[in-house]
Amino acid sequence: EAQVTQNPRYLITVTGKKLTVTCSQNMNHEYMSWYRQDPGLGLRQIYYSMNVEVTDKGDVPEGYKVSRKEKRNFPLILESPSPNQTSLYFCASMTKGTSKYNEQFFGPGTRLTVL
Amino acid sequence: AQSVTQLDSQVPVFEEAPVELRCNYSSSVSVYLFWYVQYPNQGLQLLLKYLSGSTLVKGINGFEAEFNKSQTSFHLRKPSVHISDTAEYFCAVIRAGDDKIIFGKGTRLHILP
Repeated sequence: EAQVTQNPRYLITVTGKKLTVTCSQNMNHEYMSWYRQDPGLGLRQIYYSMNVEVTDKGDVPEGYKVSRKEKRNFPLILESPSPNQTSLYFCASMTKGTSKYNEQFFGPGTRLTVL
Repeated sequence: AQSVTQLDSQVPVFEEAPVELRCNYSSSVSVYLFWYVQYPNQGLQLLLKYLSGSTLVKGINGFEAEFNKSQTSFHLRKPSVHISDTAEYFCAVIRAGDDKIIFGKGTRLHILP
């Protein structure tokens, strides 16, 4: 089944404790992206990656890191989480074929609480 | 700077009535436009997209949208809504030559019995 998986689905942590949220897709998509969703603010792009070893900042990259060592994986790293990073996080992937931009496939979300 | 405005944060509508959810964007270059739906406690899924060609785009579940370049709009419509359409709807834009994706703040559609 074609899908984007994220782990963990729920996470409660404390300020300053490094964490990683994993994202994996099995569709051989080139483009992968991380978003955070906050009430009243919609989805905001954190980082995106056009392909292996290529990453770029989205609109809200501060406090986050990403890496793209393999095509299927795109982990989101919070080196020193703070309470303002409490949010619902979505990973998404998309193929960039002849239509240039296609449908993004979203993971189920990770609800992060930073105390 | 590119931005996306969804003018209504919430839209109540009676079942079987028509609905229009508004989306306006600002960009000095060509854009690619998308509508996504998020059902309660789920991720997002694509409703429809405009990349080029016909300005009237049809999507899943009876939704359609019209790209209006002069008004920089991409409003979503459905002629008759059902209770199962209760969800949050997001407009998204990609600017030609850029790979960032900008989402609007979303519109919650409430279907009244």
